[in-house]
Formats: sequence, C-alpha cells, structure tokens
Amino acid sequence: GNSVTQMEGPVTLSEEAFLTINCTYTATGYPSLFWYVQYPGEGLQLLLKATKADDKGSNKGFEATYRKETTSFHLEKGSVQVSDSAVYFCALRENSGGSNYKLTFGKGTLLTVNP
Amino acid sequence: GAVVSQHPSRVICKSGTSVKIECRSLDFQATTMFWYRQFPKKSLMLMATSNEGSKATYEQGVEKDKFLINHASLTLSTLTVTSAHPEDSSFYICSAGQGAETQYFGPGTRLLVL
Repeated sequence: GNSVTQMEGPVTLSEEAFLTINCTYTATGYPSLFWYVQYPGEGLQLLLKATKADDKGSNKGFEATYRKETTSFHLEKGSVQVSDSAVYFCALRENSGGSNYKLTFGKGTLLTVNP
Repeated sequence: GAVVSQHPSRVICKSGTSVKIECRSLDFQATTMFWYRQFPKKSLMLMATSNEGSKATYEQGVEKDKFLINHASLTLSTLTVTSAHPEDSSFYICSAGQGAETQYFGPGTRLLVL
C-alpha cells in the first residue's frame, strides 16, 4: 500500500534560519505529492503540490521538488519567520481512477520558529 | 479560496449518546467529501469517502454502523458517531473536493466522550 514518511519533530528554529523537512514515500504508480500546513486552531491548508517527476511546487517562499529516483518531496524554505510556526504534513494522492483520489498523509512535523 | 466549515468545533458528550458533526462547503459544490480522524501526534487517518447521493465507502477497520455518514447534498455531509464511548474521543476533520481537484479541509471538530 501507499505510505508517507516524514521527519519526526518537533523542529525548533530561530527566525531567518533555513528549513528542511524531509519526506519520502512509497506508492504504486505515479502519485501526486502535496505539502499541507496546519496553523494552531485551524484546518489543513494546501501549501504546495507537484503532480509529476521533477516538478517543483512553491508557495510563500516554501519549495519542494518531486524526486522520483529517490521517492522524495522534501520541503525547504530559505528564511523562516515566526508566522511559519505550524504543523506540516506531507501527503500523496493516487491518480488511478479507482482510488477515489484518497490522500495518504505523513504523521506531521511541528515547526516552532522563535524570534 | 474555497471554504469548508465544520460544526460544532468542539463537543463533550456522555458515553452512550450519539453526536452529529456537520461539514459544509460554503462557496463551491463538493462532489466528494472525506472524513478523517486525527490522533495526538499522529497522522490523519481516512475514515470514509462519500459522494453526493450515494453510500459512503469506508476504510478497512472503520465500523460503518458506528460512524454514520450522510452526504445529502453537494454542500453538506454529516458524520454521526453513534453510542459514543471514551475511545471515540478524537479530532475529526472533513475535507471537500471536486473529483481529482484539490481537497479543502474544514477546521476540525474536537470530540470528548466522558
């Protein structure tokens, strides 16, 4: 079956530090890959996505590249801000018609950015 | 952007009672809605997928008679936890989408069963 593994948290950084959150996956076929963010007290929001190998998703200074050869989709940001403090989820979605487009999530990584 | 609401945001109930959680897509029609359960420090676990006007498809290990899902319209799905017990206490999250398009998530409902 499909699975997503992301680095255990929590991750604590100082403002303007570089961020990497690792994510690897196993899947049959060619899934789409996503990063979702959950701010305190809120629901999940789509941060970025990539639908095929070598695609780079980007949003709000965050980037992740779909690496088929290493089955990875690591999230990076060059300079984090306090407002980036949240839980980040890596996820994949099968693209086969019979899957009903289900998402498989990693366990989430809590990021805390200190001023 | 697309907005999905959930009601209530939190609920406390006595063991043995039933609780209904509503999920609404406020500014779009959702052909598919998903219900997840999130345990502390764990991932979101998909419970079931519902398409408007048809029976929900439950994931393996999820009791369909305990977690009743109704997707009566393109903007509303409900999850009813029947005869709730303390082990049902959790954070329940819905999402709504249109086929293969992006899923939009609700803010979640915190259920505590005493």
